[in-house]
Amino acid sequence: DADVTQTPRNRITKTGKRIMLECSQTKGHDRMYWYRQDPGLGLRLIYYSFDVKDINKGEISDGYSVSRQAQAKFSLSLESAIPNQTALYFCATSDFSGGVGAFFGQGTRLTVV
Amino acid sequence: QQQVKQSPQSLIVQKGGISIINCAYENTAFDYFPWYQQFPGKGPALLIAIRPDVSEKKEGRFTISFNKSAKQFSLHIMDSQPGDSATYFCAASNSGYALNFGKGTSLLVTP
Repeated sequence: DADVTQTPRNRITKTGKRIMLECSQTKGHDRMYWYRQDPGLGLRLIYYSFDVKDINKGEISDGYSVSRQAQAKFSLSLESAIPNQTALYFCATSDFSGGVGAFFGQGTRLTVV
Repeated sequence: QQQVKQSPQSLIVQKGGISIINCAYENTAFDYFPWYQQFPGKGPALLIAIRPDVSEKKEGRFTISFNKSAKQFSLHIMDSQPGDSATYFCAASNSGYALNFGKGTSLLVTP
């Protein structure tokens, strides 16, 4: 089983719909992140959480919200999806120091039509 | 703004050649510089990383060169193989905070 699991892997949704992307991890890491990947733009940070009671905005948080339900679970919500949120979304985890890097899930490909 | 600038955007190298990808940063508080490799349909995977107290780190065919005064670091892939064809991302972080990524380099190694 993967250390960082994202569900769903693919999703097509309509403009204006609410959608949730889920992430769970078995790494035992405290820190979890949501990134968005677009061609030519690299990986941009949406939100991150250093523990269950800690939530922080990244560089592109507008239009997104998150929930840290447990140490191992971190979900990303799009309250009212719009077409320019069509992208590849990645969840990642790291330990407290970040010194061994971040571990990424397989990604969720989201299409908003 | 982009905190880590990566070049080139794409790179074609013949099998057996050396692939070189460069990154530059501005924030002198960054203290961790990893490189990630991503294959199509997969998440990025940590390839190699360096801290600013060393100027070079080598793992197999992959080497990071780090120039603290110039605020630049680069990835060298020696004896490049078709299986190395992937997208490579440099990144930087400050004391375990979230990674800031470059925009990526698409590497194609031709047979």
